[in-house]
Amino acid sequence: ETGVTQTPRHLVMGMTNKKSLKCEQHLGHNAMYWYKQSAKKPLELMFVYSLEERVENNSVPSRFSPECPNSSHLFLHLHTLQPEDSALYLCASSQVRRGRPDTQYFGPGTRLTVL
Amino acid sequence: GNSVTQMEGPVTLSEEAFLTINCTYTATGYPSLFWYVQYPGEGLQLLLKATKADDKGSNKGFEATYRKETTSFHLEKGSVQVSDSAVYFCALKGTDSWGKLQFGAGTQVVVTP
Repeated sequence: ETGVTQTPRHLVMGMTNKKSLKCEQHLGHNAMYWYKQSAKKPLELMFVYSLEERVENNSVPSRFSPECPNSSHLFLHLHTLQPEDSALYLCASSQVRRGRPDTQYFGPGTRLTVL
Repeated sequence: GNSVTQMEGPVTLSEEAFLTINCTYTATGYPSLFWYVQYPGEGLQLLLKATKADDKGSNKGFEATYRKETTSFHLEKGSVQVSDSAVYFCALKGTDSWGKLQFGAGTQVVVTP
């Protein structure tokens, strides 16, 4: 595997379900990101992790819970979602040098549908 | 705050036509600028980037020049192919500590044979 991979590629869940999205980067980067891409809206940054520490949380509802167990893996745990949470969730990674992140590389995304 | 404005689509053109997608930005300091492309059903791929004024990014026949005087980063390609049909996103990486990417709304490009 190369680059940034995400699983599953598609997910359909009910509002009472609990599910997790997984992201893995094979680039040796030390920062990872979750973005949300909704129809007709610009991409929204949700979370940033650097060296496994969360460094940014853009006022995301608590029904989204990120986890970064190591610099290669990033999860997004989902519970009691709403239909408006249906979107494409994109993971990205970058290298941070001297406190500044370099170019971000994206995974293919998980298409989430909440019924 | 930082923002990116790009032309609305869809942009429909014939194969071998010239493509321009306008992108302008507002930012403090000296941001880095990017074009990402999203093919149907896929995630974003970095197309090209420029990190300082007057830099020209280029890749796969696409070019964009970082113009600080006009705060622009327009994307151009001289002869498009059907395979260039995609959504193109202009993005800005600010100088704040985590280099948050600010994206434009995206421009869909449809190239017909």
